[in-house]
Amino acid sequence: IAGITQAPTSQILAAGRRMTLRCTQDMRHNAMYWYRQDLGLGLRLIHYSNTAGTTGKGEVPDGYSVSRANTDDFPLTLASAVPSQTSVYFCASSAVAGGVDEQFFGPGTRLTVL
Amino acid sequence: GQNIDQPTEMTATEGAIVQINCTYQTSGFNGLFWYQQHAGEAPTFLSYNVLDGLEEKGRFSSFLSRSKGYSYLLLKELQMKDSASYLCALIPNDYKLSFGAGTTVTVRA
Repeated sequence: IAGITQAPTSQILAAGRRMTLRCTQDMRHNAMYWYRQDLGLGLRLIHYSNTAGTTGKGEVPDGYSVSRANTDDFPLTLASAVPSQTSVYFCASSAVAGGVDEQFFGPGTRLTVL
Repeated sequence: GQNIDQPTEMTATEGAIVQINCTYQTSGFNGLFWYQQHAGEAPTFLSYNVLDGLEEKGRFSSFLSRSKGYSYLLLKELQMKDSASYLCALIPNDYKLSFGAGTTVTVRA
């Protein structure tokens, strides 16, 4: 009974490198989300997916891409990491899309870009 | 984006009551959430308000006034484990959840 998992837990990355953060949920939720959390700024939506096969841009999508090939997985890719992408990244899911449903969050990935 | 304001920090004594206010300006409103986040952990759902009034759930209550753009989270009989950040989040017209910066509550013995 995992709920929603993320990998890795933490990562230190050199600027310019490519990185994929993994997110998997076993609740058969339709919607999934990626947020970044920075001190003093709160959680900001990067990308979201209302259902498998569809994705959308959030508030801060630049420098990030996502895919939703199936219901369970929603990886986030940084094509060429920059220091401003240093943050804690949370993946979340909800049974119903559209933001009106409770979201369940993964444990987070702490990413440092040097 | 949305404009969501919460106090940055609050301190209260064990057993007391604390009220965390959240004011907002938004392009359309479809509901408001409160989440709790302990340090180093993921946020967890506390409450959801879509209509005006008070929603009570054990020691926690949440109030909404849509006309005033105002909500509060009330924590009663504070316990040490309630020390955490409390995040106000609203659903605007585009249905993309928007979070405030959070209020860190410290409970002292």
